[in-house]
Formats: sequence, C-alpha cells, structure tokens
Amino acid sequence: GESVGLHLPTLSVQEGDNSIINCAYSNSASDYFIWYKQESGKGPQFIIDIRSNMDKRQGQRVTVLLNKTVKHLSLQIAATQPGDSAVYFCAENRNAGNMLTFGGGTRLMVKP
Amino acid sequence: ETGVTQSPTHLIKTRGQQVTLRCSSQSGHNTVSWYQQALGQGPQFIFQYYREEENGRGNFPPRFSGLQFPNYSSELNVNALELDDSALYLCASSPVIAGGPGELFFGEGSRLTVL
Repeated sequence: GESVGLHLPTLSVQEGDNSIINCAYSNSASDYFIWYKQESGKGPQFIIDIRSNMDKRQGQRVTVLLNKTVKHLSLQIAATQPGDSAVYFCAENRNAGNMLTFGGGTRLMVKP
Repeated sequence: ETGVTQSPTHLIKTRGQQVTLRCSSQSGHNTVSWYQQALGQGPQFIFQYYREEENGRGNFPPRFSGLQFPNYSSELNVNALELDDSALYLCASSPVIAGGPGELFFGEGSRLTVL
C-alpha cells in the first residue's frame, strides 16, 4: 500500500552541525506535507509544513525541501542544539480533511 | 502547550474490558481527530469528528468508537480490549475542516496498557 516512510531510523549529530532528516512518500496525490517533532512523553509538535505547489519553505532554523519528481521530503535543521533531540515524523495529507498519514519516525540525537 | 488536554494520562486495563478516553480541544477548534501510536511507531489515524459527526475513519474496527460534544470536546471508546490496543492515544484539534489542510494541535496523549 501507499505510505510515508523514512530512510534513517536514528541520526546522531554534533551540537552546532546541521541535520538533515529524509522522508520518502509514495502517494503522488498528496498535496500537503508536515514535519512533527515528538519529545519523550509528549505529543507531536508542529515544526513546518509545505504544500505540493512549493519545493522549499523556510522557518526559524528549519527548512523543508520537497522533490515531487522522486517523491522525497527532507527537513534541514541548522546549528542543531541539544533541545532538538527528539523523534521527527513526516506526515502527508491526502485530502482536505486533515487526516494525516505518518511515517515511522527518525530519532535525532545531538551530542554536546 | 497546545491547549489540547487529554485524560487520563495513564491507565491500565485487562483484556476484554472497555475504556473511555477524553479530550478537550483548543478553544475555537471545531474538529477533533484521534490517533493511535504504538511504541516506536508513528501515529495512525483512527477517526475525525466535525460538528458532532464522524467525518472520516482510518483502518480501525468498529469496537473503536467516538463522540464529539457541542463544546467540541471528544471521547474515544474502545470495547473488548485486546493486548495490541496498548498504545499512546493522541487527540488533535484543528480550527477548520474545509478549504484545505491546516495545522493540527496535539495533546500529550493517554497511555493505555492492556494486560
């Protein structure tokens, strides 16, 4: 079946370095993609989103890139900080109803 | 803090029992969604409520049911609990349902353990 998935289950980076978390999706009909951060014991927290008519969107220290040709989504975190340590999920929305399909998650570990 | 509150935060049940989980949505949000998150996995969509009606449903059996009240709060009910129902149950609210997707605001979840 069609799904959203991630390439790397665990990513370890040095504090101050940039992080890149990748995600592959298979449903070309998806029109909206979101990245969530989930810290231990908490619910997912919205980071950034992008619609299918865009290929790049920037936020504070984060950038999302969308490559529709290869159905690939990435989250870039600049100057990674210890507080960025968490599990990151990409999610896709296939309709206007905000019913999301999540990937399996990537754990980001930031070494001081 | 998202303004979405869930209760209880933790609970333990045995197989065959029934459970009710509760969610208060963020002020002004008229749509509530429920997700199940098994340990080490991403959340899976259970269903969504809008104006007190089920608006969409994921691949979950009928023993998973819900309600939405006039104040937009919601309940998730699970009957005949199975061991595999052990998970974190997340509630998310959003302000609109029509006109395209928007940000979901998640609560901290209710962790259910079925023994």
